[in-house]
Amino acid sequence: DAKTTQPPSMDCAEGRAANLPCNHSTISGNEYVYWYRQIHSQGPQYIIHGLKNNETNEMASLIITEDRKSSTLILPHATLRDTAVYYCIVRTNTGNQFYFGTGTSLTVIP
Amino acid sequence: KAGVTQTPRYLIKTRGQQVTLSCSPISGHRSVSWYQQTPGQGLQFLFEYFSETQRNKGNFPGRFSGRQFSNSRSEMNVSTLELGDSALYLCASSSTGGFYEQYFGPGTRLTVT
Repeated sequence: DAKTTQPPSMDCAEGRAANLPCNHSTISGNEYVYWYRQIHSQGPQYIIHGLKNNETNEMASLIITEDRKSSTLILPHATLRDTAVYYCIVRTNTGNQFYFGTGTSLTVIP
Repeated sequence: KAGVTQTPRYLIKTRGQQVTLSCSPISGHRSVSWYQQTPGQGLQFLFEYFSETQRNKGNFPGRFSGRQFSNSRSEMNVSTLELGDSALYLCASSSTGGFYEQYFGPGTRLTVT
C-alpha cells in the first residue's frame, strides 16, 4: 500500500494561503489522493480528492504533480477555523481502506 | 440530511469486559468503516462493511469484530478489553464504498480501567 509523508507541523498567517505538501512516491496508477482534516475532538472531515488532474472545490485546491509522486493542498484564504490536523491519504487498491498517517498540524495565526 | 451518528459518545469499561458500539450511517450509504484513534498510533483502520458483508479488515486481533444490518447500521464489538483499547472509535460511511469520500461520525470515546 502506498504511504504518505507530511511535515509534522506548519503555521500560516490568517488570510494568507496555506500550502500543505505531501509525498506519495510509491503511489500506484489507479490510486487516488485524498485529503481530510480533523479539528480537535471531532471526526475527520473530507476536503478533496484527485487522481491526476488538479481539483478545486469550495474548500480547497489540490495540485498533483505530473509524476503523481507528490501533491499540495491549498487553502486559499486560511482562517482561524482552519486550524486542524490535515491528513494526506492514498486509497489502497485492495478496497475501501484508508491509511491516515500522522498528518500535518496546521496552526493559523491571527 | 442527518450525518453519521454514533452511540454512546462516552463509555467507561473495566479490563476483561466486552463492549458494543453502534453507528448509524448517512441515509442511503451502504458502506460503513470503523477506525481506532489513539495518541500513540494515530488513526488506524479496523474494518469495512458493505451490504452486510465485511469487505476489508485492518491488522487488529480477533477480539475486535463487527457486523452490519440490513438497514446499513453497524456495530463493532470488542471482547476481553485491555487497557490499550482505550481510544476514540470512529465510524465513517460512504455511498458506494469505493471511490467516494467517507463521512465521519463524532466518535465514541472508550476508556478502559
